[in-house]
Amino acid sequence: RKEVEQDPGPFNVPEGATVAFNCTYSNSASQSFFWYRQDCRKEPKLLMSVYSSGNEDGRFTAQLNRASQYISLLIRDSKLSDSATYLCVVNAASGTYKYIFGTGTRLKVLA
Amino acid sequence: ETGVTQSPTHLIKTRGQQVTLRCSSQSGHNTVSWYQQALGQGPQFIFQYYREEENGRGNFPPRFSGLQFPNYSSELNVNALELDDSALYLCASSLNVHRGPYEQYFGPGTRLTVT
Repeated sequence: RKEVEQDPGPFNVPEGATVAFNCTYSNSASQSFFWYRQDCRKEPKLLMSVYSSGNEDGRFTAQLNRASQYISLLIRDSKLSDSATYLCVVNAASGTYKYIFGTGTRLKVLA
Repeated sequence: ETGVTQSPTHLIKTRGQQVTLRCSSQSGHNTVSWYQQALGQGPQFIFQYYREEENGRGNFPPRFSGLQFPNYSSELNVNALELDDSALYLCASSLNVHRGPYEQYFGPGTRLTVT
């Protein structure tokens, strides 16, 4: 089983739609969780950290489910500019320096 | 912009050659992590430097080596280049990696092509 798994997509959604991505992780001791966004041929950019209580930033909501070992990202009212690859990031084990990236989920928002 | 810079932007090398990639971290950040991202994959952790010492390493052979300087800038060196080393090399800077979850900020990357 991969340490971090994501559905590669692509998810093709119309503008204004709500879309959700999940990411599963294998190490129950992981403590740090993030979502990054990566545009084609660009560097990853931090979208949001994921906290135990869940967190929201505008149209974006991130949640953590420790029991089932997954994190989720919900995007409401999708914009064309949301088209990108969304990378899930988890630390390898509690307190360690090593972050594991998923392969990413590709989102295409259609006009 | 993150304030993290990398050079060069693009590089073409021949198999067997050696390459040095450079990264300047965001002001005030004392940690640099290096990643390799092959096409269609997520970034793979190579190693991390914290206050000029290697602070952990991923599953990369010893021909991948690095340095961090007193100003926290960093170099990634790859010897005996192989075709599979063709990838985007990313550095990420961060602060206080030993104080719990830390956020990383990426530079624009160096795209290396090995022929």
